[in-house]
Amino acid sequence: EVQLVESGGGLEQPGRSLRLSCTTSGFTLGDFALNWVRQAPGKGLEWVGLIRSKTYGGTTEYAASVKGRFSISRDDSKNIAYLEMNSLQTEDTAVYYCTRAYCPGDCNYPGNDWGQGTLVTVSS
Amino acid sequence: QAVLTQPSSLSASPGASASLTCTLRSGLNVGNYRIYWYQQKPGSPPQYLLRYSSDSDKQQGSGVPSRFSGSKDASANAGILLISGLQFEDEADYYCMIWHISGWVFGGGTKLTVL
Repeated sequence: EVQLVESGGGLEQPGRSLRLSCTTSGFTLGDFALNWVRQAPGKGLEWVGLIRSKTYGGTTEYAASVKGRFSISRDDSKNIAYLEMNSLQTEDTAVYYCTRAYCPGDCNYPGNDWGQGTLVTVSS
Repeated sequence: QAVLTQPSSLSASPGASASLTCTLRSGLNVGNYRIYWYQQKPGSPPQYLLRYSSDSDKQQGSGVPSRFSGSKDASANAGILLISGLQFEDEADYYCMIWHISGWVFGGGTKLTVL
C-alpha cells in the first residue's frame, strides 16, 4: 500500500525556519517525482514546488511565492523527501501536503497518493 | 489577473449534469495546455480525476468513473469538467491545474453542491 506521511509541522514565528518531512512507503521513491502542495485554512490549493526523480536530474521547481525561501530535497535511500522552509511569513500558514506523481519517470503531476498533511502555523 | 479562474460555486440536482469551467488568463491559449482536474472532499486530500488536452490526448484517472469527462471551449478559452448523472457523493471542491512556465498552477476551485 502506497503511503506518504508528513511530519514536522507546528507553530513557528515569522522569520524562523521549519523543515517538513515526507516519509514514504509501499513504492520506490526514487522512481517518482514528488510535489508539495499547501492549503491555507478554508482556502484553495496552492502548489509549492516539486523535485524530479534522480533519473531526470533530481531538479526542483518552486512557486514564485516561495522561491528563494523554500527548498525541496530527497533521500531516496531513506524513502524521505523534505521541504525546508526559511524566512517564514504569516502567509505561509497552511496545511502542507506531499504528493507522489501520478506515474514514474518524467511525469510530474500529482496523482491519487497524498499524505494527510501537516499544519504549519506562522504567528508571533 | 489569476492564471486560472473557476467559479466559486455551482449547484445542480442529482441525476443532472454539471459543467465546471476553468478559464485561462488572457494571453494564454487553452489549446496549448493540458488541463488537469482534482476533486477534494472535506477533511481529505485531493484526488486526481483526469487530464484533458484533446480527444486524442486525454487520460482518465485510475478508478475514476466515465461520467467524469474533460473538454475544452476554445471560444471561451476554458477547460471544462463535465460530470454527468450527478450523485450526492460528487459534492466536493473541484480544482483545475496547468503547467505554466516552470510550475503547476491551480485554479481557485469550485464548490459543487448537489441538491
